[in-house]
Amino acid sequence: DSGVTQTPKHLITATGQRVTLRCSPRSGDLSVYWYQQSLDQGLQFLIHYYNGEERAKGNILERFSAQQFPDLHSELNLSSLELGDSALYFCASSALQGAEGGYTFGSGTRLTVV
Amino acid sequence: AQRVTQPEKLLSVFKGAPVELKCNYSYSGSPELFWYVQYSRQRLQLLLRHISRESIKGFTADLNKGETSFHLKKPFAQEEDSAMYYCALRSNFGNEKLTFGTGTRLTIIP
Repeated sequence: DSGVTQTPKHLITATGQRVTLRCSPRSGDLSVYWYQQSLDQGLQFLIHYYNGEERAKGNILERFSAQQFPDLHSELNLSSLELGDSALYFCASSALQGAEGGYTFGSGTRLTVV
Repeated sequence: AQRVTQPEKLLSVFKGAPVELKCNYSYSGSPELFWYVQYSRQRLQLLLRHISRESIKGFTADLNKGETSFHLKKPFAQEEDSAMYYCALRSNFGNEKLTFGTGTRLTIIP
C-alpha cells in the first residue's frame, strides 16, 4: 500500500456531467499533486496544493477545479465532461512544499466518459 | 522551461540482454532526476533517484550533466522488467512539480 488513497477506482459517466475525484495523501505529506494520464498525452501535470493552498497550475482546463481541505485530502472536480476527458487521473503526495525526494503516487481513478 | 525527452516510445529487448532506456533533459540549473516505473497501468512507483545513487532491481542511472542525460541501465533484462518507464525532473528551486517525459514501454522478449 503506497499510503496515497484515491477514490473511486473507476468512474463511468456521460458527457456533460460533473464528477469529483478524491485523494487522501500519505500520512504526514502536505503536498498533493494531480496528473492526467492519457494514451496520447502521457502524464500531464494539472495542479499542486500545499497545506491547503494552491501552489502551481499546469495544463488544467477551466472546466476542472481542485481544492485541498484542512485534513489535507484533496478533490479534483471535473465538469461539463467531454469524451476527451477520459483518462487515468493520478494523485501524488510529497512531504515537503516541493517535490524533493519524489512523489508517492496513488493507484489512480480511471474515468470513462461515454 | 524544463523539459524531459525520452526518445523511444517502445523498446523490445531479449531476456538476458542489456537494457538502456534513454532520458535527456533541458534545464539551466541543477535538477534532481528520477525514474518511475508503471506496471500494467497501475500506479507509478519510484525506481531511482540520482541523488541516492542506489541500484534498485538491478537498474542504475547516472546523471551526466555534460550530456544532460540520465539513462537507465540494466545489464541483464528479466521478464518482470516489462513495464512503462518514466523519467522525471525536478528543478533545484523549492515549490516545483516533477516534469515527466512521455515514457518508454519496455517489453522483454522471453
